[in-house]
Formats: sequence, structure tokens, C-alpha cells
Amino acid sequence: QSALTQPRSVSGSPGQSVTISCTGTSSDVGGYNYVSWYQQHPGKAPKLMIYDVSKRPSGVPDRFSGSKSGNTASLTISGLQAEDEADYYCCSYAGRYTLVFGGGTKLTVL
Amino acid sequence: EVQLVESGGGLIQPGGSLRLSCAASGFSVSSNYMSWVRQAPGKGLDWVSVIYSDATTYYADSVKGRFTISRDNSKNTLYLQMNSLRAEDTAVYYCAKGASGSYLFDYWGQGTLVTVSS
Repeated sequence: QSALTQPRSVSGSPGQSVTISCTGTSSDVGGYNYVSWYQQHPGKAPKLMIYDVSKRPSGVPDRFSGSKSGNTASLTISGLQAEDEADYYCCSYAGRYTLVFGGGTKLTVL
Repeated sequence: EVQLVESGGGLIQPGGSLRLSCAASGFSVSSNYMSWVRQAPGKGLDWVSVIYSDATTYYADSVKGRFTISRDNSKNTLYLQMNSLRAEDTAVYYCAKGASGSYLFDYWGQGTLVTVSS
């Protein structure tokens, strides 16, 4: 149950696009299409942004998109806005009814 | 409206026990899978445990044998019994609701802080 690997930080200017990667193994990210992404602002609970690799819950802007290739999933945020500045976590089903999170990525909007 | 409200956190000495509660409203805890997820101060999210609708339970290796997840359907409440607590268990503990057909958490509580220290 090792944590998925995410970059510690990414940054971008308003209007730009950024991509956050999430690398696991064939036992988690690569083995299932059950990758989800969560946004967390300081002092707040996480919020679901993407599930099943690329699906968006209702209410999440279409600026947020997800994808996966092999053992690496990615979250792309286009048209960056100031309110997107937050921590982002990936999560994957890891088999045997367990889940695993990534270490988290701090997004800074310059 | 779905709501999750955790309680029961506090300061506890190493080796002690604590029981967290998560009162749910707007849905039935017995009809969905529910998890506990924790976050140590300044650190990332860490999946702790899950209870499925058929009452089967699973745990992260770091808490297996020390923590027990359960629910009271009549009170629509989720619990986490934590025994043999260690300093590294210090964290904000969130309860989270799963959604059938996938593995995701669509609703989260506000969290309750557990501090293990002498």
C-alpha cells in the first residue's frame, strides 16, 4: 500500500493550463479505471473533481479533465483561475477492496 | 442534502483508545460504502479503512489490528474504534461516503482532530 507518486508542486499563470501526474503500478492505477482526483483548499475537506479516470461530477467546471496512460494518471486544468489554487490528490483502487492516495500536489496560480 | 458530521477527536496519550463517530444524514450509511481517511498535520491524505454495504471491512496495513470500523444502521452513524494509539496516528480524521459502481468519495465530513501525545 505505497502512496501514489505526485509532483510536490506545480504552477501556472491565469489562463494557462497545468497538468498534474499521478504514478502508481499495475496493481493500482494501471490495473483499474478507478482513479479519482480531489481538490483541497486550506482548512477544508477534500472535494471530488474527477472520478473513473475522466468523469466529472455535476458542478465541476469542464476546465478540469482527467486521463490515464499505463500506470500514470493525469489531471489537467485549463484556463487557470485564482480559485484553482489548492492541493490536489489522486486516489486509486488498489485491489482487495482497498484504496490508495497520492502524496498531493500544491498548485500555485502565479 | 447529504451531510457528514464527525466527532470524538481529542488529545489522547500513546497506547490509549478513542472512538470517532460520523453522523450521516440525507442517505443511508448501510446502503453505501463508507471510509475513514486521515491527514496528518501538513501532510497528504491517507486512506484508513472501509466498510461496504454487506458489512465487510478492510484496513490499511498501518492500522490493521488496532482500528475497527463499524456502523449503527439505526443511528445512521459510522464509527472508528482506535486502540493502541501511536504518535503517528495524530491527524485530522475524515469520514467519506462512497458511490456504488465505482471507487470514489463524493461527500466528506469536516474532520475531527486526533492528537496522540503524552
